Amino acid sequence: DAGVIQSPRHEVTEMGQEVTLRCKPISGHNSLFWYRQTMMRGLELLIYFNNNVPIDDSGMPEDRFSAKMPNASFSTLKIQPSEPRDSAVYFCASSFVPLLTGTGGSNEQFFGPGTRLTVL
Amino acid sequence: GQQLNQSPQSMFIQEGEDVSMNCTSSSIFNTWLWYKQDPGEGPVLLIALYKAGELTSNGRLTAQFGITRKDSFLNISASIPSDVGIYFCAGQLKGAQKLVFGQGTRLTINP
Repeated sequence: DAGVIQSPRHEVTEMGQEVTLRCKPISGHNSLFWYRQTMMRGLELLIYFNNNVPIDDSGMPEDRFSAKMPNASFSTLKIQPSEPRDSAVYFCASSFVPLLTGTGGSNEQFFGPGTRLTVL
Repeated sequence: GQQLNQSPQSMFIQEGEDVSMNCTSSSIFNTWLWYKQDPGEGPVLLIALYKAGELTSNGRLTAQFGITRKDSFLNISASIPSDVGIYFCAGQLKGAQKLVFGQGTRLTINP
């Protein structure tokens, strides 16, 4: 079975450029999470979606960051304009939340391989 | 925000030794998860715990959900070289879907 797929695996760009990271969740999963990992701050949740709807974007650093989920099988995280401090590994994760469990639900999140972003 | 204190931050052991790491919090969690991350890869789920006091094994790995619901530990028995990596605990608060992650325990094994 295919796991969470992320692209690109590596991205090197110059400050000021637009960066788009892509994620395909596990088929059948209805929740999608975007994380950022750095040595200093560890794993940080940026935003998550339930059934393609953004639920909590309180972790998004600033307006330069935006995320979309146009359908159940695709999500993007965009940074515009990018800055050197955005350099990090960005992970996408997905999970299945049964409809009857309310706002909690299963939290067995499955992570993709990540995108290592370097902004020069 | 909520925080998990994971310890130790790093461990250097000999192959064959047992390993123990834990996470504590001032908050009560409904779920505890343990992940392992290899270099250049995403975290992989090892064990999920859903009930206070629950003790669950996955091969040489054993994890427990603390009775107070504020802590969890992970043990690895008879370590082997492929156990090298960073181990993360993650907790889910009641009514929340987000996970709170610990800082990680970096495990190094000398053959």
